[in-house]
Amino acid sequence: EAGVAQSPRYKIIEKRQSVAFWCNPISGHATLYWYQQILGQGPKLLIQFQNNGVVDDSQLPKDRFSAERLKGVDSTLKIQPAKLEDSAVYLCASSLVSGSVSYNEQFFGPGTRLTVL
Amino acid sequence: RKEVEQDPGPFNVPEGATVAFNCTYSNSASQSFFWYRQDCRKEPKLLMSVYSSGNEDGRFTAQLNRASQYISLLIRDSKLSDSATYLCVVNRVGNTPLVFGKGTRLSVIA
Repeated sequence: EAGVAQSPRYKIIEKRQSVAFWCNPISGHATLYWYQQILGQGPKLLIQFQNNGVVDDSQLPKDRFSAERLKGVDSTLKIQPAKLEDSAVYLCASSLVSGSVSYNEQFFGPGTRLTVL
Repeated sequence: RKEVEQDPGPFNVPEGATVAFNCTYSNSASQSFFWYRQDCRKEPKLLMSVYSSGNEDGRFTAQLNRASQYISLLIRDSKLSDSATYLCVVNRVGNTPLVFGKGTRLSVIA
């Protein structure tokens, strides 16, 4: 079974530039998450989608970050303009069933490593 | 106070050693508990779930104490291949986001 796909794997930009990341979840997974992992820290949620709707974006810095999942499958995360502190790995994860009280394992993609100079 | 706190590490141990990681969580509404493993420059992968009754998978044993809001992971007979960062993770309910600790880095030395 194919896993979560992400691209690009690496990106280097200068501050104030824009950047976009793409995620393709595991087929059939309704729930998609974007996490930010700063060096030396655990991943932190940015946004959660259920199909094409946003479930939780409380930790997304909305002045510069945006995300969409228009058709309920692929998702893009954008940063505009980037700051130095945005340097991190951006991880996409997906899980099967939304709205369930029991836990469904989240599967992570390989991540996009962003360096802002 | 962070929602999930772990030993800061790093832990440097010889092959064959037993090593224990500790973790505490602050949200008493947390319902699911996990240990994830993350290799250098790789994504986190589920190592094992943690249950109140304790669970064991080969050389790995995980324990949960809900009253103390404490989670542990014990690795026996450490192998070089166990070198990684171990992340303590909690989940409130269903498909809510995972909340990660900072991770504890383990280096097993020959």
